[in-house]
Amino acid sequence: AQKITQTQPGMFVQEKEAVTLDCTYDTSDQSYGLFWYKQPSSGEMIFLIYQGSYDEQNATEGRYSLNFQKARKSANLVISASQLGDSAMYFCAMSFANTNAGKSTFGDGTTLTVKP
Amino acid sequence: NAGVTQTPKFRILKIGQSMTLQCTQDMNHNYMYWYRQDPGMGLKLIYYSVGAGITDKGEVPNGYNVSRSTTEDFPLRLELAAPSQTSVYFCASSYGQGISEQYFGPGTRLTVT
Repeated sequence: AQKITQTQPGMFVQEKEAVTLDCTYDTSDQSYGLFWYKQPSSGEMIFLIYQGSYDEQNATEGRYSLNFQKARKSANLVISASQLGDSAMYFCAMSFANTNAGKSTFGDGTTLTVKP
Repeated sequence: NAGVTQTPKFRILKIGQSMTLQCTQDMNHNYMYWYRQDPGMGLKLIYYSVGAGITDKGEVPNGYNVSRSTTEDFPLRLELAAPSQTSVYFCASSYGQGISEQYFGPGTRLTVT
């Protein structure tokens, strides 16, 4: 069964500091993608970053980077130089190709609060 | 380019009533999804579709039905609403063969009393 685990229900970080949000996953599929989404208090879902299971380099998008450790089945999100606007809920998600294409699973999320 | 649109934004249903949540995307995406999000929780996949005429169950399909007669539209039908279906419902779409970022609609907040 495919599963995403986010073990940090809430995290605090000081403005301008870096923070790591943890994500571990479980799947027997060889071809999958890992995603992070941000959900502000307004409720919309915003895509942040993607890592493919065959990608050898960690993904980066501006202040976001994904620390992908395939052997440990982890895909942690690193936010550098935190801003007040980063306060939101963050979800790790996994999608699949081939016979499981279309199936997606999300973690329960981590609420990040950035302190001024 | 409107992206993914959902109607209505809010709805209150009485127990036993039925309704259809509408979802439309204008990005010509093959894949579409319906999720529910309970308070403080992650998204649970209800149904998904990999193309017009093809739908399949996700993790929590009971009490719901879908259809996909066109690429653009993917309505979600609730039959005999129950309080356990009180949730926020998100529709999403994606391009490609499954591994692709999903574009979400703004959500529908449904309360069943």
